[in-house]
Formats: sequence, C-alpha cells, structure tokens
Amino acid sequence: DIQMTQSPSLLSASVGDRVTLNCKASQNINKNLNWYQQKLGEAPKLLIYYTNNLQTGIPSRFSGSGSGTDYTLTISSLQPEDVATYFCFQYNSGLTFGSGTKLEIK
Amino acid sequence: QVQLKESGPVLVQASETLSLTCTVSGFSLTNYGVIWVRQPPGKGLEWMGIIWRNGNTDYNSALKSRLSINRDTSKSQVFLKMNSLQTDDTAIYYCTRVYGYNYLFDYWGQGVMVTVSS
Repeated sequence: DIQMTQSPSLLSASVGDRVTLNCKASQNINKNLNWYQQKLGEAPKLLIYYTNNLQTGIPSRFSGSGSGTDYTLTISSLQPEDVATYFCFQYNSGLTFGSGTKLEIK
Repeated sequence: QVQLKESGPVLVQASETLSLTCTVSGFSLTNYGVIWVRQPPGKGLEWMGIIWRNGNTDYNSALKSRLSINRDTSKSQVFLKMNSLQTDDTAIYYCTRVYGYNYLFDYWGQGVMVTVSS
C-alpha cells in the first residue's frame, strides 16, 4: 500500500503569509493526488484535484503542485478562514489519505 | 441540489453489527459512485469502501472481511454494514459522492458519530 506522509503536522502562520503544506508518497503516484480542507466540526471539502486543478468555488489563493512522490498545497496569502486541517489523498494505486496538517493563525 | 445524509444508530455494542444508510438527492446512483469515509475522534480520514455507479464495490483491505456496501437505486440509498465492531471503530462516518476518474469527493454528508461501547 502507498503511504502518504504530510508535513508539518502543525503549522502556525500569520495572516497574509504564504504557506506551503507538503505531502510525500512512498512511491510515484503520477500526480493522482487531491487535497481536502476540513474545518473544525465540518465535513472535508475538496480543494484541488489531480495535483493542480482548483475545484469550482475555491479561492484562487489556493494552488497545488508536484510530481512523482512530492506534492505541495500553497496558500498565497493566508486568511483567518483558512484555519483548518488539510489532507492529501492519492488514488494512483489503491486509495490513501495523508495524516493531515493542522494550520493555525499565529 | 446535491445532498447526502447519513443515518443510523449513534451507539452500538462491541461485537455487534453497524448498519448505516446514506440517502442522496440531486443525483442518481446510476450516474455517480458513493464512498464511505470514517474519522475517529481527533484523527485522520480512512476510506472504507466504494459502490460504483454500475453497482460494483471496492473495499479497504483492512476492513474487507467485516464490511459490505450495497444500494437501492429506486430509493436513492446506499447501505453500509460492518460486523464485529470494536471500540476503535468509534468514529464519524461520512458518505460522499465520487465524481470522475480523478476520485473527486465533491459532495459530503454531514457525517454521523457512531460510538462503540464495550
């Protein structure tokens, strides 16, 4: 099974900061990766699909990139409403969620 | 509009069987798949199983021996049954629509918190 490792597990940043969240696969996943945002007490929400495609209605400050085993989710200018836990998800071989990165405002 | 809603018991005894229903609206189960995802309190997400639009199913290998998913398309309902429950099956259980070849989980239910009591 493919393992997905997210780093850091906890990230504190200031409003307006550029923030980068990382997701590393245990083997090549051929860009078959999605990102989800989960706010406290809510169901997850799809942000990015197939590495770098923004889901409809998601603000353009969110972007994704990567290839092979290494992927990133970037928030260009952190907003208070972005406080959440972010999960990556691979579907290249089987299905696996990452363990999540909790994003806080400093 | 597209909606999914999970229903079922909130408290189940250990060793018993969990039965959950996902009732969908705004789309047809013959056009979209539905996946069950669970989340233990304070922890991450775990996919459990998918029922595809053609009725075929795939299961997480870790749960496959205990899990079954089926549906009633006429009632727009998807059913999850998992037996031999243990306390570490305590979790929020979500159903979500699966869209496209890129496994977009684009609409989620609100989730149902299930506690397994010993």
